[in-house]
Amino acid sequence: DAGITQSPRHKVTETGTPVTLRCHQTENHRYMYWYRQDPGHGLRLIHYSYGVKDTDKGEVSDGYSVSRSKTEDFLLTLESATSSQTSVYFCAISPGVRETQYFGPGTRLLVL
Amino acid sequence: GIQVEQSPPDLILQEGANSTLRCNFSDSVNNLQWFHQNPWGQLINLFYIPSGTKQNGRLSATTVATERYSLLYISSSQTTDSGVYFCAVITGGGNKLTFGTGTQLKVEL
Repeated sequence: DAGITQSPRHKVTETGTPVTLRCHQTENHRYMYWYRQDPGHGLRLIHYSYGVKDTDKGEVSDGYSVSRSKTEDFLLTLESATSSQTSVYFCAISPGVRETQYFGPGTRLLVL
Repeated sequence: GIQVEQSPPDLILQEGANSTLRCNFSDSVNNLQWFHQNPWGQLINLFYIPSGTKQNGRLSATTVATERYSLLYISSSQTTDSGVYFCAVITGGGNKLTFGTGTQLKVEL
């Protein structure tokens, strides 16, 4: 299995508070992704990175920001959490564009 | 955008039975992956198969890109095969995986 960890694995927070989720990889893959999984919507791409300091938006990027200061770390920040951001968040990595994506264990976020 | 449909949506099998899951997609693809999401929520890579046939133990997959479908075969099913099976594709010049609707599989003793 690809070496991907996510932290925290579970988080409960209140509306309006900032939240940062971390994805860490040990595979030295160039591409990293953040997806969210919701009932009825499947998994949807939030943001992705194609290198250190190189990021771009996915299909559901509103309310989220990302940063990648090192190859191995990709951070997802909810600047002011809302209840609609309650979801399961998955990080994924891949060595190249359109190559196999490997997923982390997920983070369950509940915004009250 | 591309549409990815999976069938059947739900499937119940007795242990030891075989099954075929189907994934239809509406456009040409550069990447097609099959995943198993286990009851604990973990997404496990099964196959990277934009075309052709691959086998891994009791599982095999075939993608016919020209006809825009992929099949996942599970033989001699076990209770540990239970969960949701997703296919996901990348189309055109992008790198976003578009996931199908999933097949919920339950294998009973």
